[in-house]
Amino acid sequence: KAGVTQTPRYLIKTRGQQVTLSCSPISGHRSVSWYQQTPGQGLQFLFEYFSETQRNKGNFPGRFSGRQFSNSRSEMNVSTLELGDSALYLCASSLAVHSNTEAFFGQGTRLTVV
Amino acid sequence: QKEVEQDPGPLSVPEGAIVSLNCTYSNSAFQYFMWYRQYSRKGPELLMYTYSSGNKEDGRFTAQVDKSSKYISLFIRDSQPSDSATYLCAMSANDYKLSFGAGTTVTVRA
Repeated sequence: KAGVTQTPRYLIKTRGQQVTLSCSPISGHRSVSWYQQTPGQGLQFLFEYFSETQRNKGNFPGRFSGRQFSNSRSEMNVSTLELGDSALYLCASSLAVHSNTEAFFGQGTRLTVV
Repeated sequence: QKEVEQDPGPLSVPEGAIVSLNCTYSNSAFQYFMWYRQYSRKGPELLMYTYSSGNKEDGRFTAQVDKSSKYISLFIRDSQPSDSATYLCAMSANDYKLSFGAGTTVTVRA
């Protein structure tokens, strides 16, 4: 079966702009989590969505937001981009909420802010 | 100090050697422990999952958790060049927010 699909794979944006990233989970999976991966901070949890509701949130500023649609697809948005937002953004899907032990990751979206 | 500490390496071993990876952590509430493998330009792939303390074996992989020492390990036996990747430890408490280590880059030389 198809894996987790993230689009786009690469993105270049300018400081101050906003960006929207998309994640399509594995068919049947209803939970989607987002992570930011940088060389300095490693992988950091952003938020988790299940049944169109945010169920968990990491320690990121309000510029980072997300949503989930009825078909479980999820988007995350970053407003007023800063150079430090350059990172690999990873999405992971799982069958149920809070099931991190069974999470499958996508290949990520590489965001570069210039 | 980070919640999860992991030596980034790099670690280089000959084919067939045992690879030993470890992480330490400070949050005593962590109960779920995982190891992920990440190849270049790919997302992490779950290798092993352990709940609370103990050992778990899966083929060439063995995961160990010592909660009293706040120390977890991953051993890869009979290492292959295809095992060359970055290995990430991850853990969570009952809040299910995963905390990751920095990742250790491993190269297995043919």
